Amino acid sequence: DTAVSQTPKYLVTQMGNDKSIKCEQNLGHDTMYWYKQDSKKFLKIMFSYNNKELIINETVPNRFSPKSPDKAHLNLHINSLELGDSAVYFCASSRTASPNQPQHFGDGTRLSIL
Amino acid sequence: AQSVTQPDIHITVSEGASLELRCNYSYGATPYLFWYVQSPGQGLQLLLKYFSGDTLVQGIKGFEAEFKRSQSSFNLRKPSVHWSDAAEYFCAVGAMGNSGGYQKVTFGTGTKLQVIP
Repeated sequence: DTAVSQTPKYLVTQMGNDKSIKCEQNLGHDTMYWYKQDSKKFLKIMFSYNNKELIINETVPNRFSPKSPDKAHLNLHINSLELGDSAVYFCASSRTASPNQPQHFGDGTRLSIL
Repeated sequence: AQSVTQPDIHITVSEGASLELRCNYSYGATPYLFWYVQSPGQGLQLLLKYFSGDTLVQGIKGFEAEFKRSQSSFNLRKPSVHWSDAAEYFCAVGAMGNSGGYQKVTFGTGTKLQVIP
């Protein structure tokens, strides 16, 4: 069984469109994350939710809006997509929000903006 | 704020040879340290972690890492590399976020390992 699953795996769209990426974890974890990995493989935290509450909100354009309907799901909606949004987006989860907790990652969503 | 440096962007080793990937961190308190591996087209997978206690930690797939506080290092090692070890390796440090009590993990820029027959 997949622990952290993201859909879709690939997303190709035009500049200016709005798109969503979904993430679900079946590990019973309290905390979920969104990361952006650029073409140089640099991994940067975007958001983190703990029990549906936003706890980390890095410097991310407000075109990006996360939503956590329950603690097993964390979705990412992106408005007015720009060329610079092209990247791989990873969802992750951890048992708690404590810094000693390892994270479990999904396989990523590769977003390409035309 | 914490930071992580992986000085080697790319390393090539022969199959069967030993491997050491370097990681240096900067953090004011005792760090929580992790090594993750990313195979092509996949997410990151935890190899091992260090919080306290024995400074030599064992992980999955035959990897180990040694925490050296005096050198602010947490280098990853493997005695004999297999072709399937070819991947990107990330060192990471976990610390309290600004919100307090919540983790913020900072990842290094990664080291790409190539294994030649």
